Amino acid sequence: QVQLQESGPGLVKPSQTLSLTCTVSGGSIGSGGYFWNWIRQDPGKGLEWIGYINYSGSTYYNPSLKGRVTISVDTSKNQFSLKLSSVTAADTAVYYCARSARGFDSWGQGTLVTVSS
Amino acid sequence: EIVLTQSPGTLSLSPGERATLSCRASQSVSSSYLAWYQQKPGQAPRLLIYGASSRATGIPDRFSGSGSGTDFTLTISRLEPEDFAVYYCQQHGSSLTFGGGTKVEIK
Repeated sequence: QVQLQESGPGLVKPSQTLSLTCTVSGGSIGSGGYFWNWIRQDPGKGLEWIGYINYSGSTYYNPSLKGRVTISVDTSKNQFSLKLSSVTAADTAVYYCARSARGFDSWGQGTLVTVSS
Repeated sequence: EIVLTQSPGTLSLSPGERATLSCRASQSVSSSYLAWYQQKPGQAPRLLIYGASSRATGIPDRFSGSGSGTDFTLTISRLEPEDFAVYYCQQHGSSLTFGGGTKVEIK
């Protein structure tokens, strides 16, 4: 049973870069066959997909965030990471990492990131 | 971008009743690329249905999905107490988007 766990700062200042890491256990990112995603959710609101990466490093980002998002993978550590630059209060959300193949079948518990000075 | 509109926004039902949730797409979505999720407070979403009608691993058969093109439906045949939650549809035929959600609450 694969498990995912987000980690990173819970508070980021406006205009700075949000950085989060997702550690995968119980399965190997390098084995292929899946996409590794970041998704966020405004408190009390809906879900927004941010982007994904596969084991070889190919990425695809939400066009609405393109230019600010970078997702990278480290197969040796079984981790993938998110960087979101030039953040504003609108980027305050719970950030989830999730695995997908036919739907998002495994999720992390989520981590709240607040953008505030 | 394909916009998914879910209705109703809130569904008030009693345990044992049937729930019918709608997801309408702004343009046609391949059935292969339509999924449904359940989310309870403080938890991550859980995959219920993929490919419009295939149940994910461990999902009870009271949950079923149907539809094609721009109109999709999630049906819960008989509501159990643990089914009261928010439900989201999601497509990945063109980029990837979620619907705004339907809350199923106890009447």
